[in-house]
Amino acid sequence: NAGVTQTPKFQVLKTGQSMTLQCAQDMNHEYMSWYRQDPGMGLRLIHYSVGAGITDQGEVPNGYNVSRSTTEDFPLRLLSAAPSQTSVYFCASSPPGLGAGGYTFGSGTRLTVV
Amino acid sequence: AQSVAQPEDQVNVAEGNPLTVKCTYSVSGNPYLFWYVQYPNRGLQFLLKYITGDNLVKGSYGFEAEFNKSQTSFHLKKPSALVSDSALYFCAVREPYSGAGSYQLTFGKGTKLSVIP
Repeated sequence: NAGVTQTPKFQVLKTGQSMTLQCAQDMNHEYMSWYRQDPGMGLRLIHYSVGAGITDQGEVPNGYNVSRSTTEDFPLRLLSAAPSQTSVYFCASSPPGLGAGGYTFGSGTRLTVV
Repeated sequence: AQSVAQPEDQVNVAEGNPLTVKCTYSVSGNPYLFWYVQYPNRGLQFLLKYITGDNLVKGSYGFEAEFNKSQTSFHLKKPSALVSDSALYFCAVREPYSGAGSYQLTFGKGTKLSVIP
């Protein structure tokens, strides 16, 4: 099925470890983004990309890196995990063009840092 | 900067009664407005959007939303609530497309809807 695929679904990390959350979409969407969801905080934008080779920071980028080498993939890297990064992470994509902006979300990655 | 407020953390409604989930926004220019729903342990699903035109927008699962420019509101409504509507609802706003290639949505903090049998 077409859509946004996130892996893994669950992950436990020790403080200081690094890891990459994977995100892939097969809809040829130009725009991709990463959000974190925390109770009472809603969704906060971490990083986003408007196309291959172009990325930019969102509201809460510290401790995270991204790259966009292809249209399909937008991985999120945690450089040195901290307990404050315990959260549910969502990847989203959107088609281009005027009127666009209805995101398609992945099913999320639940990350626990101990 | 664009922003969204959902003034109610939780809304409780009896099954069969009408429901309203409130949303107000702040944005430069004419807004693009969205509602998403999140069921437990799932990603967000698109419900409906307002770009331009009729102020009453109809979406999935019998939901609709009314755009009110003077009150800067975009409340989500349904005439008759179902238990299966119980979920977390997010309102989101985007500034008008500027051609810059940016499609950032700003989300509210979410409202938990509980429909009581």
